[in-house]
Amino acid sequence: DIQMTQSPSSLSASVGDRVSITCRASENISKFVNWYQQKPGGAPKLVIYAASILQRGVPSRFSGRGSGTEFTLTISNLQPEDFATYYCQQSHTDRTFGQGTKVEIK
Amino acid sequence: QVRLVQSGPEVKKPGSSVRVSCTSSGGTFSTYSISWVRQAPGQGLEWMGRITPIFGDASYAQSVQGRLTLTADESTATAFLELTSLRSEDTAVYYCARDAPADMPQVPAPYHMDVWGEGTTVTVSS
Repeated sequence: DIQMTQSPSSLSASVGDRVSITCRASENISKFVNWYQQKPGGAPKLVIYAASILQRGVPSRFSGRGSGTEFTLTISNLQPEDFATYYCQQSHTDRTFGQGTKVEIK
Repeated sequence: QVRLVQSGPEVKKPGSSVRVSCTSSGGTFSTYSISWVRQAPGQGLEWMGRITPIFGDASYAQSVQGRLTLTADESTATAFLELTSLRSEDTAVYYCARDAPADMPQVPAPYHMDVWGEGTTVTVSS
């Protein structure tokens, strides 16, 4: 099974900050990585797919990069509605999610 | 616009089975895959399995292999999850999601879960 190791598990930031979340795959998965945002009590929402493609309707302050085994989600100019938990997920072989990163208000 | 609507909450006894449905509307059901993902209270997301209705084939996570069966009824555009031999650790919110290929020339195209159901709470308790 492909493991996805996400870090940090949580971070505190202020409105306007730039934050980055990293995901490492246990083997080469090319660009088969997606990122999801989940708010309490809600279903996950797709933010970035194929490592770097912004899902329609998602603000351009979200960006993704990486290939192979290391991937990053960056949120520039953090807004109040961005405080949530973010998950990476691989679709190279079956599916696996990272453990999640909770972005909290400082 | 594709929408996935799931069945209502369930309360089950340990050792019993549960069946959750996921009905698609507004799009082409058969040609996409449906993945099932669960989330235990206070925990992260766990992928359970995936089915492609047009082929009827399914793949399962090792953690639920042997207890999970995914099926789909193309005539009603509905996917089903059946989990047997329930235990307290199966208490979770269960989500279905459309698992679709990205619209790009790369072959094979990467898949992503772009439409999600609202979730079904399954509680396993004696």
